[in-house]
Amino acid sequence: EDKVVQSPLSLVVHEGDTVTLNCSYEVTNFRSLLWYKQEKKAPTFLFMLTSSGIEKKSGRLSSILDKKELFSILNITATQTGDSAIYLCAVRGGGTSYGKLTFGQGTILTVHP
Amino acid sequence: DAGVIQSPRHEVTEMGQEVTLRCKPISGHDYLFWYRQTMMRGLELLIYFNNNVPIDDSGMPEDRFSAKMPNASFSTLKIQPSEPRDSAVYFCASSLLDRMETQYFGPGTRLLVL
Repeated sequence: EDKVVQSPLSLVVHEGDTVTLNCSYEVTNFRSLLWYKQEKKAPTFLFMLTSSGIEKKSGRLSSILDKKELFSILNITATQTGDSAIYLCAVRGGGTSYGKLTFGQGTILTVHP
Repeated sequence: DAGVIQSPRHEVTEMGQEVTLRCKPISGHDYLFWYRQTMMRGLELLIYFNNNVPIDDSGMPEDRFSAKMPNASFSTLKIQPSEPRDSAVYFCASSLLDRMETQYFGPGTRLLVL
């Protein structure tokens, strides 16, 4: 069974701090790893990673994948209160259920002014 | 362009009642997913469809849960009979065939079973 573990489960920082969120996984026939941001309502897509060592970047957010060690990190620099959210990591495996995403439990990030 | 539409947004019902959740995916999307989110278990995939056909329903917790997709623009998730432990937020998501990792989520239905 595919498995995704995120750490920490929660994190409280002040504006301007840099945070690193972790995601480790076990999946059969890895295809991709995704990061989502969930504020008050539905998750919204941030990044998709398929290759090791290639950083994906969007503004103050960046992410990288290590397929050998089976983990990914999401970095947020110069955090703002608007970054407060649940950050979800998910993996997609292969096989017969190749459309299925397995999500981690999420990291709750709180950014104080 | 409208996103994924779910209804109702909130549902409060009593144990034993039937609950039907509805979803309209983004037009042209090939995949439709039903998820359940709770504090204890996080976001779990219940079932997903490809071109209206159920592909994997291994996440459906038990026979009380059923899902249908009679056409490309509509899907339902039914719980009968409902139980308090079914209380959760239920999300519907859709994606394109060649970008199935990029799933677009609806606003969710918050279900409370008393």
